[in-house]
Amino acid sequence: NAGVTQTPKFQVLKTGQSMTLQCAQDMNHNSMYWYRQDPGMGLRLIYYSASEGTTDKGEVPNGYNVSRLNKREFSLRLESAAPSQTSVYFCASSEGGAGGNYNEQFFGPGTRLTVL
Amino acid sequence: GDSVTQMEGPVTLSEEAFLTINCTYTATGYPSLFWYVQYPGEGLQLLLKATKADDKGSNKGFEATYRKETTSFHLEKGSVQVSDSAVYFCALMNTGFQKLVFGTGTRLLVSP
Repeated sequence: NAGVTQTPKFQVLKTGQSMTLQCAQDMNHNSMYWYRQDPGMGLRLIYYSASEGTTDKGEVPNGYNVSRLNKREFSLRLESAAPSQTSVYFCASSEGGAGGNYNEQFFGPGTRLTVL
Repeated sequence: GDSVTQMEGPVTLSEEAFLTINCTYTATGYPSLFWYVQYPGEGLQLLLKATKADDKGSNKGFEATYRKETTSFHLEKGSVQVSDSAVYFCALMNTGFQKLVFGTGTRLLVSP
């Protein structure tokens, strides 16, 4: 069981370049999430997918797009990178479910992105 | 909206010292509360949780009690080890959908 995997681990982009961050989970989870982590700001939710085929905006969605390719995979795309998007990006997954029941979120190791 | 406030770090302690990291929250309804830990170079791991008032979460010698009257969920450990050095995040999840709201994190440094 690999859990949640992310690629790449590190990336350097120039302003205006595009890239896609990949995330996959092998726990058969329904829900997946993308967060960014910035110094002094904690983790902030960018987008989430409650179930396969659905995606919704989180707290800081501007400048990003997502695709829930299938139940396992959830990608995050930067169409035109900006220096403000320099951050560490974490993908997470959880069983999901209705009724407000809590399911633990499992996190990947992160992608450190620098935009010059 | 919902929010979490944590004490600023870093918190620097000697091995075997007592640890407290303060966390308070603002939320409507009855949120669940969590502590996550991030070791250097890794993603976050759930450390402990409490889902209703007066619940005590515990794991690996760490404890936190859900205090609704003071809207707090302070993390404690009686005797820290060097291996506890990490960043600790307090978080809440309100009923409805499973979106976590994180505090800013508190770095703990434990020296031998």
